[in-house]
Amino acid sequence: SQKIEQNSEALNIQEGKTATLTCNYTNYSPAYLQWYRQDPGRGPVFLLLIRENEKEKRKERLKVTFDTTLKQSLFHITASQPADSATYLCALDRTGGGNKLTFGTGTQLKVEL
Amino acid sequence: DADVTQTPRNRITKTGKRIMLECSQTKGHDRMYWYRQDPGLGLRLIYYSFDVKDINKGEISDGYSVSRQAQAKFSLSLESAIPNQTALYFCATMDDAYEQYFGPGTRLTVT
Repeated sequence: SQKIEQNSEALNIQEGKTATLTCNYTNYSPAYLQWYRQDPGRGPVFLLLIRENEKEKRKERLKVTFDTTLKQSLFHITASQPADSATYLCALDRTGGGNKLTFGTGTQLKVEL
Repeated sequence: DADVTQTPRNRITKTGKRIMLECSQTKGHDRMYWYRQDPGLGLRLIYYSFDVKDINKGEISDGYSVSRQAQAKFSLSLESAIPNQTALYFCATMDDAYEQYFGPGTRLTVT
């Protein structure tokens, strides 16, 4: 079965720095990979999707990379702000049909003043 | 108004009771999902539905059943609740770009 590894330790960074979160997966290469943000007690919120044939995707201060050789995605937040503090989840869809979704356990990001 | 709503938001029930969690959406999406979230285990897929007549088991469907009453409504039932079903439950929809929209969650406690 598909396994996803995200760093379970919280990432603490200073405001203004770039935060980099890692998502590693095993077994099958996914058709696409997604990143979500989750705040305590709330449902995840979609941020970005990157397909297997794409190496990089950007949206405002967010950047995602996808390396199918390393089986890894990196999620970057530039010029981080305290409001970026949350848990970030990685999710993979093996088939691309929206029916084989697997989520990682997430990494908590804390941006300090 | 929220696009994906869940009721109840919190529920405490006893072992052996039947309980239903309800989900409604106003986004007009055909695809709907039920997940549970447990500390350290992440989100796990229970059931998913691609339209009213298409319902499929997910990773952890044992002990659960679902009903898709309409495009907008997808209910999750626990026929006989047990303590290890204590978790945070999320309903979600998916659009044609594969983006998922989650509800606010239902915190279920089985004593």
